[in-house]
Amino acid sequence: DAKTTQPPSMDCAEGRAANLPCNHSTISGNEYVYWYRQIHSQGPQYIIHGLKNNETNEMASLIITEDRKSSTLILPHATLRDTAVYYCIVRVNSGGSNYKLTFGKGTLLTVNP
Amino acid sequence: DVKVTQSSRYLVKRTGEKVFLECVQDMDHENMFWYRQDPGLGLRLIYFSYDVKMKEKGDIPEGYSVSREKKERFSLILESASTNQTSMYLCASERITQGYTFGSGTRLTVV
Repeated sequence: DAKTTQPPSMDCAEGRAANLPCNHSTISGNEYVYWYRQIHSQGPQYIIHGLKNNETNEMASLIITEDRKSSTLILPHATLRDTAVYYCIVRVNSGGSNYKLTFGKGTLLTVNP
Repeated sequence: DVKVTQSSRYLVKRTGEKVFLECVQDMDHENMFWYRQDPGLGLRLIYFSYDVKMKEKGDIPEGYSVSREKKERFSLILESASTNQTSMYLCASERITQGYTFGSGTRLTVV
């Protein structure tokens, strides 16, 4: 799987948009970009994933650059409950042993009042 | 909603004991995974399974084994527990392309 690079920490004001960047310059054509988050003392939670096109769901938006070498997770109106470690992971979606996700260190997002 | 249930939230075991950690999912997911999480080391994959009776080693399988006799249940076995296996253990399941769903975790202490 391609490696990802994320800033170790970020701050965001409550009510503002949080934009979390991720670099994945060695991503392959068949690798998806996944985002998860982990709130303290809980298991990670799936947020969103995409291949080429931008994606949006009830939690967030995912913007993938045209060359696919980087992406940004956007939380449009951050709340205190969004304080968590956010993981960006790339993975293919086929082949038995390819289903595993390898979690890096992620970005600690702190939402401040 | 998909539920992934881990049998215990907290567990204390003695060194040398055989330990079973159970994980059950209720949504007919193909893939199941066991991770452990330690401060400063993040989440590390122990074993995973993409079908009944199929298992594959993750990044740190030593000292562990797994069993998947039924699609909904994936068990992690510590053959002879040691103090360095004190950790938070997280189980996850996945329907392909829909993302993992994690359980609440089992905090295991080996004394």
